[in-house]
Amino acid sequence: DTGVSQDPRHKITKRGQNVTFRCDPISEHNRLYWYRQTLGQGPEFLTYFQNEAQLEKSRLLSDRFSAERPKGSFSTLEIQRTEQGDSAMYLCASSPPTGRDGYTFGSGTRLTVV
Amino acid sequence: DAKTTQPPSMDCAEGRAANLPCNHSTISGNEYVYWYRQIHSQGPQYIIHGLKNNETNEMASLIITEDRKSSTLILPHATLRDTAVYYCIVSSDRGTSYGKLTFGQGTILTVHP
Repeated sequence: DTGVSQDPRHKITKRGQNVTFRCDPISEHNRLYWYRQTLGQGPEFLTYFQNEAQLEKSRLLSDRFSAERPKGSFSTLEIQRTEQGDSAMYLCASSPPTGRDGYTFGSGTRLTVV
Repeated sequence: DAKTTQPPSMDCAEGRAANLPCNHSTISGNEYVYWYRQIHSQGPQYIIHGLKNNETNEMASLIITEDRKSSTLILPHATLRDTAVYYCIVSSDRGTSYGKLTFGQGTILTVHP
């Protein structure tokens, strides 16, 4: 296992377009998290899955954002009708069942909305 | 979740120990203290975590005060590759937020030759 994989690494899109990002967690990790990070700031929590169940969503996750983890394995984060303010690094992380042994983060997807 | 306070930046000479402080005066119950670091354009990297006792691994040592209101991350022999943003985080232990990490601004550690 090579860790948490995110695809694509970079995405440039025009305002108003929809984008989808994929995250493949470490296989034995049942917890999966999405974070967003803007320049100069720490990562901000967006949402969290335990297996296929989405257990928590931040108020940062507007109606234009949706995340899924259909079989409790990979996850997708979709942003509809992108806005320039959506430009950020989107980070995925996974952790084992206890959640207390530290997360493993992916390298992120850098989104630029033009 | 308990909030943390870290200095915005610190410098360290290569080969010397880097001691990064963190205050978490409102920590409670079974909340753990985690340290992560982030090198430019990469995802955060887990370093170490602890509850009450001091911890050591191959990367660093974590010293937690007896009252658990502050902690110090120690990089025993800093190298240029340790230049990064270091985040001190207290983990949530409530309900479905169990294990969620809330990042602050972190400390920018610059290691000089």
